[in-house]
Amino acid sequence: DTEVTQTPKHLVMGMTNKKSLKCEQHMGHRAMYWYKQKAKKPPELMFVYSYEKLSINESVPSRFSPECPNSSLLNLHLHALQPEDSALYLCASSPGTEETQYFGPGTRLLVL
Amino acid sequence: TQLLEQSPQFLSIQEGENLTVYCNSSSVFSSLQWYRQEPGEGPVLLVTVVTGGEVKKLKRLTFQFGDARKDSSLHITAAQPGDTGLYLCAGALDSGYSTLTFGKGTMLLVSP
Repeated sequence: DTEVTQTPKHLVMGMTNKKSLKCEQHMGHRAMYWYKQKAKKPPELMFVYSYEKLSINESVPSRFSPECPNSSLLNLHLHALQPEDSALYLCASSPGTEETQYFGPGTRLLVL
Repeated sequence: TQLLEQSPQFLSIQEGENLTVYCNSSSVFSSLQWYRQEPGEGPVLLVTVVTGGEVKKLKRLTFQFGDARKDSSLHITAAQPGDTGLYLCAGALDSGYSTLTFGKGTMLLVSP
């Protein structure tokens, strides 16, 4: 099973809303990632969790708040987003942080 | 500075043609992945190459890792409309930096 699942598939939110994106993997991977991707561009790394601890935060604004409740789950809490935050948000996991990453299908976020 | 240069950025060809996509760097990678991504979906892993000079085949796709592990190529034989998508190369730097470095991607359109 090389599947990473993400919910929801699509999300529309206002700038005052609070919402969360969820990611799950059951491959026993110890590293999990959040990426942001704009159309026709490569994914941009946001956060890396290694063994459930935040190891990399790529200077992401505080309106994005990651959480790793356990080794299989990764959340991204969203609050007071801006329209320019509209993008495809991808979750990925890998056995270790220097190994092949497997991506989820993404959440398409629209901020109005 | 783009660590992983991917070319061409765009490619529009007719069904049945052959094509090659390149990823080049001045840095050494311990491994390199190729992904294909369709609009609104997450990147799907095609292959991981780890050994200098390695060649891997996946049906009509041939992947090569350079002898010095600084470059890679993806060759598609007899392209089909189903090959249309964004092709991304991503590498793990040999320096031990713990995340992937992405190329900017090649948008391939195969017309019937």
